[in-house]
Amino acid sequence: AQSVTQLDSHVSVSEGTPVLLRCNYSSSYSPSLFWYVQHPNKGLQLLLKYTSAATLVKGINGFEAEFKKSETSFHLTKPSAHMSDAAEYFCVVNLSGYALNFGKGTSLLVTP
Amino acid sequence: KAGVTQTPRYLIKTRGQQVTLSCSPISGHRSVSWYQQTPGQGLQFLFEYFSETQRNKGNFPGRFSGRQFSNSRSEMNVSTLELGDSALYLCASSSRTSPDNEQFFGPGTRLTVL
Repeated sequence: AQSVTQLDSHVSVSEGTPVLLRCNYSSSYSPSLFWYVQHPNKGLQLLLKYTSAATLVKGINGFEAEFKKSETSFHLTKPSAHMSDAAEYFCVVNLSGYALNFGKGTSLLVTP
Repeated sequence: KAGVTQTPRYLIKTRGQQVTLSCSPISGHRSVSWYQQTPGQGLQFLFEYFSETQRNKGNFPGRFSGRQFSNSRSEMNVSTLELGDSALYLCASSSRTSPDNEQFFGPGTRLTVL
């Protein structure tokens, strides 16, 4: 079955420094992968998605992710963190049809 | 376009009771999925409906059920509530023109079981 593992439950960065949130996937075929963000008391929002068109995927708010088949990874990055980036981030894989399998989440803390 | 709406936003029930949650998808979206979010288990897929038919089902007991109406609005029902059912229940809608289509999430219903 398709699954994802987020390698860090918490990540803390200083404002203006790069962000790296790590995700490994397990899939028996080429997966569809997503990153979602959840701000406190707000709904989940799609940051970006990989659907085999291009391995480097650009998303909203300056985030991007690179699909690496050899490493089974789909890490999320951003060159410079902003205070408003503090949130919970989820790496997600399509299970089947419209069923999504979410990782456990990474809580991003951005300090001034 | 209005986003996905869920009602009620907060709910308090006691063990043994049943509860019905409602979800109105984005206009034109025919697929509605439900997820349960808890601190321990994270986000877990409950089920997905398309054109009033359940297309996918997650690994939840039969106490969890749902349905979809002809206008694509969906309800989920939990019978014989248990303390462990306390969670944020999220609904998502999609136009379902392809499996890679973005799912748009509502703000959720926070269910507390006492």
